[in-house]
Amino acid sequence: QVTLQESGPALVKPSQTLTLTCSFSGFSLSDSGMRLSWIRQPPGKALEWLARIDWDGTEFYHTSLKKRLSIFKDTSKSQVVLTVTDVGPADAGTYYCARLPVDEDGFDFWGRGTLVTVSS
Amino acid sequence: QSALTQPASVSGSPGQSVTISCTGTSSDVGIFNLVSWYRLHPGKAPQLLIYEVTKRPSGVSDRFSGSRSGNTASLTISGLQPEDEADFYCCSYATSGPSLYLFGTGTKVTVL
Repeated sequence: QVTLQESGPALVKPSQTLTLTCSFSGFSLSDSGMRLSWIRQPPGKALEWLARIDWDGTEFYHTSLKKRLSIFKDTSKSQVVLTVTDVGPADAGTYYCARLPVDEDGFDFWGRGTLVTVSS
Repeated sequence: QSALTQPASVSGSPGQSVTISCTGTSSDVGIFNLVSWYRLHPGKAPQLLIYEVTKRPSGVSDRFSGSRSGNTASLTISGLQPEDEADFYCCSYATSGPSLYLFGTGTKVTVL
């Protein structure tokens, strides 16, 4: 059974660094063709893709946010971490992690998301 | 292109069919067979309904079907049910612009 769960702080102050963890089970991110992305949804707005990490460690980022994003996988812990530096009001919202297998190219399993508020 | 264009809302009575459009460009929806559709219920994990334009994951009802014509993809929900009242998003792989994946603007489906 594939499951994903996001965790992280519910509240961060402006200019701080946000660190989010996606803990997953039922698959391995070291399996060939396996990929995992972070996606967010600001309140009342559409989904926005942020970053992807592949089974071989290749990383992809939303170009506009690349300077502030970093994605990392810890295969032994079945976790993927996303950091967002210098957060601002536009970074508030629900953050999701989602699996993206290459052989069925869609985000096939998602976590329930974690809500992040940016406020001093 | 920052987002694919979807209608803000569609509605239908139980048992009816509704279709949601998703308009992109020749750099995303129109060129790649990598369009997917998702249903979002508040507080729940989003659900994949369609991938690679027309394919349905195992376990997803055959009431959901996908298609594409040119730069516009569509999701049709047949036999509308109360649980279909949700937000629906399309997504496409993209090679131009800042994002590797473009999501649609989202469509609220209301079951009357």
